[in-house]
Amino acid sequence: NAGVTQTPKFRVLKTGQSMTLLCAQDMNHEYMYWYRQDPGMGLRLIHYSVGEGTTAKGEVPDGYNVSRLKKQNFLLGLESAAPSQTSVYFCASSYPGLSTGELFFGEGSRLTVL
Amino acid sequence: EDKVVQSPLSLVVHEGDTVTLNCSYEVTNFRSLLWYKQEKKAPTFLFMLTSSGIEKKSGRLSSILDKKELFSILNITATQTGDSAIYLCAVEEAAGNKLTFGGGTRVLVKP
Repeated sequence: NAGVTQTPKFRVLKTGQSMTLLCAQDMNHEYMYWYRQDPGMGLRLIHYSVGEGTTAKGEVPDGYNVSRLKKQNFLLGLESAAPSQTSVYFCASSYPGLSTGELFFGEGSRLTVL
Repeated sequence: EDKVVQSPLSLVVHEGDTVTLNCSYEVTNFRSLLWYKQEKKAPTFLFMLTSSGIEKKSGRLSSILDKKELFSILNITATQTGDSAIYLCAVEEAAGNKLTFGGGTRVLVKP
């Protein structure tokens, strides 16, 4: 059981380039999230989805887009990367009904924008 | 806007010491407070707290919530080097769709 898988794990981009981070979960979870983690700032929510075909903005959505075409996948896109988007990105999923608090995280994707 | 503040930012202790981590919060409609441990990669779930005054315990770790004063503490007794990690606190609103995280406390346990 793979859980939550993120690809790629590392990426270096030049300013202005675009890229997509893929998150896949095999737990049949309804809810999926993209967070970014910067030193001393904990995890900040970028976008989230409460079901296939739905997305919503989180705390820091600017410069990012997302799609949830299939229940098991949640894509995070950067259309024109900026150095401020250098960060570690975590995808997470959870199952509603009980608390959604017990998030299951992927191992992170380290993105550097030069 | 929901707000979660953790203190201290970091601390260094020796094996066998006791550690107390603090988390204060402001949230419109509180549902739960959660603690996570993050070692090298992904955060892992420790506790979920919903009621004041009821201690949650797992081995040497314990946590308690005060909904009146809007804070929680996480205690680690008889610390070991394996307790070295970033500890994250998060709060969940009643809508239950997402968590707001604090900045974390970095704990280093020296042999």
